[in-house]
Amino acid sequence: KAGVTQTPRYLIKTRGQQVTLSCSPISGHRSVSWYQQTPGQGLQFLFEYFSETQRNKGNFPGRFSGRQFSNSRSEMNVSTLELGDSALYLCASSLSPDETQYFGPGTRLLVL
Amino acid sequence: AQSVAQPEDQVNVAEGNPLTVKCTYSVSGNPYLFWYVQYPNRGLQFLLKYITGDNLVKGSYGFEAEFNKSQTSFHLKKPSALVSDSALYFCAVRVYNFNKFYFGSGTKLNVKP
Repeated sequence: KAGVTQTPRYLIKTRGQQVTLSCSPISGHRSVSWYQQTPGQGLQFLFEYFSETQRNKGNFPGRFSGRQFSNSRSEMNVSTLELGDSALYLCASSLSPDETQYFGPGTRLLVL
Repeated sequence: AQSVAQPEDQVNVAEGNPLTVKCTYSVSGNPYLFWYVQYPNRGLQFLLKYITGDNLVKGSYGFEAEFNKSQTSFHLKKPSALVSDSALYFCAVRVYNFNKFYFGSGTKLNVKP
């Protein structure tokens, strides 16, 4: 079975721009979660989707948003990028919200 | 509030020696506990989990972890460390039917030849 895939793997943007990251879960997995990883803050939960519904959201500003499609693929969007948004964005999928999460390789975003 | 603590930022061990990476948790409810490993510039790889049952859980690559309810701990162990085990290790907790994973801050494991 293919693992979680994330595209793009690397991204460079400038302040004020917006960005969309994509995540394709493991086949059959219906739950997708997003995390931001930075050296200073560690792994921080962004949001979780299950069956196209956002079930929980972390403490991030409204510039961070996401959605899940009927095929369980998910996207997250960050608008009006700030320097502090530079991070590794990780997507994880699971069969359902209480099951083990399996992570993708991440998208490394650099904001200049 | 739910939380996970990994009290050591770094653990150094010689190859062939046993290793322990510590994790304690604080949750209201029954915890699901996980260990993940992260190699440089990679995502997190699942190692093992405790849901219920035997307190000693065996996982991938020879790792195991012991759930201790009274001490609210879930330490990761391996009898004989390999240089290739050098990586960043994360402990995580999830409470049943609560839709969030809580991750510890990570412990960098250095295994020296």
